[in-house]
Amino acid sequence: QQPVQSPQAVILREGEDAVINCSSSKALYSVHWYRQKHGEAPVFLMILLKGGEQKGHDKISASFNEKKQQSSLYLTASQLSYSGTYFCGTETPGGKLIFGQGTELSVKP
Amino acid sequence: NAGVTQTPKFRILKIGQSMTLQCTQDMNHNYMYWYRQDPGMGLKLIYYSVGAGITDKGEVPNGYNVSRSTTEDFPLRLELAAPSQTSVYFCASMYEKLFFGSGTQLSVL
Repeated sequence: QQPVQSPQAVILREGEDAVINCSSSKALYSVHWYRQKHGEAPVFLMILLKGGEQKGHDKISASFNEKKQQSSLYLTASQLSYSGTYFCGTETPGGKLIFGQGTELSVKP
Repeated sequence: NAGVTQTPKFRILKIGQSMTLQCTQDMNHNYMYWYRQDPGMGLKLIYYSVGAGITDKGEVPNGYNVSRSTTEDFPLRLELAAPSQTSVYFCASMYEKLFFGSGTQLSVL
């Protein structure tokens, strides 16, 4: 079942913070976060592994609550370049990796 | 390294035609994926593979077939193309994160 993201869309002014949430009904091996700009392939931001290991972007942080199968992506001091659609991907044991419906983020000057 | 290479970049098919979308990677990754993305929507998993000779269905496999005879190649076959298969198709390989190809824009008219 597809992970559920919230909110569906958010508009920020430069310098403001945002949180994007992702929840799954299945036991997860890892959670991925990607950003996609129009007409381009998604770009990797962060992976959170079961057990607490994180790998990813220096200026972006995330959390993973394994018991609740929930993850949150924290965007602080947003920049114009943060605009795009953010997707969480949930990987179950066995390698199946499916994505949420996306959160559209717009950062205005 | 070339990474993940998809061909063709664009294709127009007539209803009922068949075609193969090619995907090859040079990173020796075991995990490979095919996603489709309809305009304004998220990524839907079509098929995935965790190694040569092993494939499994994703969320939307109907109308598609795959094979994985080598680690490098993971072609996606469309049989009897339908307008509902008009989409952007992304191939990806994975090691700690997804490495996406540049995508194939397919129109079925």
